[in-house]
Amino acid sequence: EDQVTQSPEALRLQEGESSSLNCSYTVSGLRGLFWYRQDPGKGPEFLFTLYSAGEEKEKERLKATLTKKESFLHITAPKPEDSATYLCAVYGGSQGNLIFGKGTKLSVKP
Amino acid sequence: SAVISQKPSRDICQRGTSLTIQCQVDSQVTMMFWYRQQPGQSLTLIATANQGSEATYESGFVIDKFPISRPNLTFSTLTVSNMSPEDSSIYLCSVEEQSGEQFFGPGTRLTVL
Repeated sequence: EDQVTQSPEALRLQEGESSSLNCSYTVSGLRGLFWYRQDPGKGPEFLFTLYSAGEEKEKERLKATLTKKESFLHITAPKPEDSATYLCAVYGGSQGNLIFGKGTKLSVKP
Repeated sequence: SAVISQKPSRDICQRGTSLTIQCQVDSQVTMMFWYRQQPGQSLTLIATANQGSEATYESGFVIDKFPISRPNLTFSTLTVSNMSPEDSSIYLCSVEEQSGEQFFGPGTRLTVL
C-alpha cells in the first residue's frame, strides 16, 4: 500500500537550533516528492520538488534531500517565522495521485 | 506559479444544508483538484475536476455528496451536500502546472453545526 509517514509529529526548537524533519515513503514508481509549508488557516505553500535519489534543493534556511526510501528537510539556524506545519507528499503509486503525510508541526521559540 | 483564490474563506452552516465553494485561477490550467483536510489530519484528495466532463472521484467520495463543476480552464466549484458535522473541514482546491508541481488555494474552512 502506498504510504507516506512523517516524523516527528511535532518539534520544538530554540531559535538557532538546527534540526531535520523526516519523510519516509513506500510508493511504487515515485514520480516526485514535494515539500510544503502550511501556516494555520492557510493553504499549503509549495517549497520543493525532488525527483530522484541523491537530489538536493535549498531555499534560505531550508534544505531538502532525497534517498530511495525517505526525504529529509533540514532547517539550519531556524527563526520563529519558520514555525509552521511542514507537509511531505509523493506523486506516483498505484493511483498516480499526490499522497500526503500528516505533517510535522514545527515551533521555533525565540 | 498560478494565483488561486477561493470563496468563501470560511462559513458556518446548519446540518442538512449545502454549500458551494468556488475556486478561481488566474491562468488556464488543465488539472484542478479538490482536497479535504479534516482537523488534525493531512490532505485527502476528493476528486479531479475535469473540464467538459464529469469529475473523477477517489474512493470514499461520491458525486451525490460532492458534486463538482468545471465549466472552463480557470474555474471550478465543489458543493458539499446535505451537510453533517462530520463534514467540518478545510476544503482546498489545487492546480497542477506543467512542471508537475501542485499549488494550492487558501482553503475554505467549513463548520457544520
